[in-house]
Amino acid sequence: GAVVSQHPSRVICKSGTSVKIECRSLDFQATTMFWYRQFPKKSLMLMATSNEGSKATYEQGVEKDKFLINHASLTLSTLTVTSAHPEDSSFYICSAAGAYNEQFFGPGTRLTVL
Amino acid sequence: AQKVTQAQTEISVVEKEDVTLDCVYETRDTTYYLFWYKQPPSGELVFLIRRNSFDEQNEISGRYSWNFQKSTSSFNFTITASQVVDSAVYFCALSEDDYKLSFGAGTTVTVRA
Repeated sequence: GAVVSQHPSRVICKSGTSVKIECRSLDFQATTMFWYRQFPKKSLMLMATSNEGSKATYEQGVEKDKFLINHASLTLSTLTVTSAHPEDSSFYICSAAGAYNEQFFGPGTRLTVL
Repeated sequence: AQKVTQAQTEISVVEKEDVTLDCVYETRDTTYYLFWYKQPPSGELVFLIRRNSFDEQNEISGRYSWNFQKSTSSFNFTITASQVVDSAVYFCALSEDDYKLSFGAGTTVTVRA
């Protein structure tokens, strides 16, 4: 149980385009999901907390207009990187909070912006 | 301020050696949780352990063991008789009242055959 999927696992796009990443909890409902960003050889940095049915809470320094988060259902949160640029290239990881607020992580999405 | 400090950036050992990864945390909360995750080259985080602040009992799971000491705010992780498959980045993390996870910088463990 407690499986979280992410789609796509890898995406390459041109500068200026928008990219949507999906995070799904497959066998449980998650009112709260989290989005992290990880640069090569670096740690995970929390970008935002996604709450079902309400606006996401962004961490300091994260542009909410740049990284749009939608948590439309109890099993799906999406992160859209708008007008992507090469500096947005990174590994994006989502997690879903379980019944005891433990976090179950997705496999990650590697974004490369050319 | 950094809430979780993993002072060791990289550790390289030969197979069968023991490896201890240090983790020091900082919090004002009385209730909190500590975690260790493994991130192999594939990138997917693998959950290893969760420990709450009221349970200082050390834990052993196979070749893995954890030493939690509130007096020194440390939650160290030891891999006994390391194997090549243990090569990965290991992260220590802290969760406080808001359940957000604060990750340490990670320690890269390389086990050579």
